[in-house]
Amino acid sequence: SAVISQKPSRDICQRGTSLTIQCQVDSQVTMMFWYRQQPGQSLTLIATANQGSEATYESGFVIDKFPISRPNLTFSTLTVSNMSPEDSSIYLCSVLYDSSENTEAFFGQGTRLTVV
Amino acid sequence: GQQLNQSPQSMFIQEGEDVSMNCTSSSIFNTWLWYKQDPGEGPVLLIALYKAGELTSNGRLTAQFGITRKDSFLNISASIPSDVGIYFCAGRISSGSARQLTFGSGTQLTVLP
Repeated sequence: SAVISQKPSRDICQRGTSLTIQCQVDSQVTMMFWYRQQPGQSLTLIATANQGSEATYESGFVIDKFPISRPNLTFSTLTVSNMSPEDSSIYLCSVLYDSSENTEAFFGQGTRLTVV
Repeated sequence: GQQLNQSPQSMFIQEGEDVSMNCTSSSIFNTWLWYKQDPGEGPVLLIALYKAGELTSNGRLTAQFGITRKDSFLNISASIPSDVGIYFCAGRISSGSARQLTFGSGTQLTVLP
């Protein structure tokens, strides 16, 4: 398993501002992901955070709105830029351990963002 | 893309009752994972399944990887109040290079005393 520290755990932000969420893992991991979870909904993948290169974004998500950094194998950040109330959501980082036999994904505790 | 249908969407049960929820996919999966999410927390992995027909238990929880590789179920026996939460299935397809998981829509479980 992995210990994933995500911060902040929650924040209330003014529209038009930006928030950077940090994700720290206690071990080196190749695959890190960022998800969004709107109230009462399932998890939606925002992007794959690639170490040493640009993140891979899913349909509907763009780098200008959700820039991601991955400077090493234990750390990543997600920025929610130029926020609007529609960005109010829970943002989760996740790591995936993937071998020829097993696949397991673990999550941070999430960042609950409210945009006012 | 892949779709996961998870049911039921919500359940209200009496303490001590057994619970069953399931997920079906339009694609063949090679991995099924079951998670529980408490309010204000991230999902926590409960059970991982890797082989068709595999039946795995974790305490009062039992999950099975369907033989068709397109479905999985999770059973909770003798429910207790701390079982309250949202349960998600997640799967990964067996073809291509996709590394991401696809998540079900979740089952909100309420346990009544």
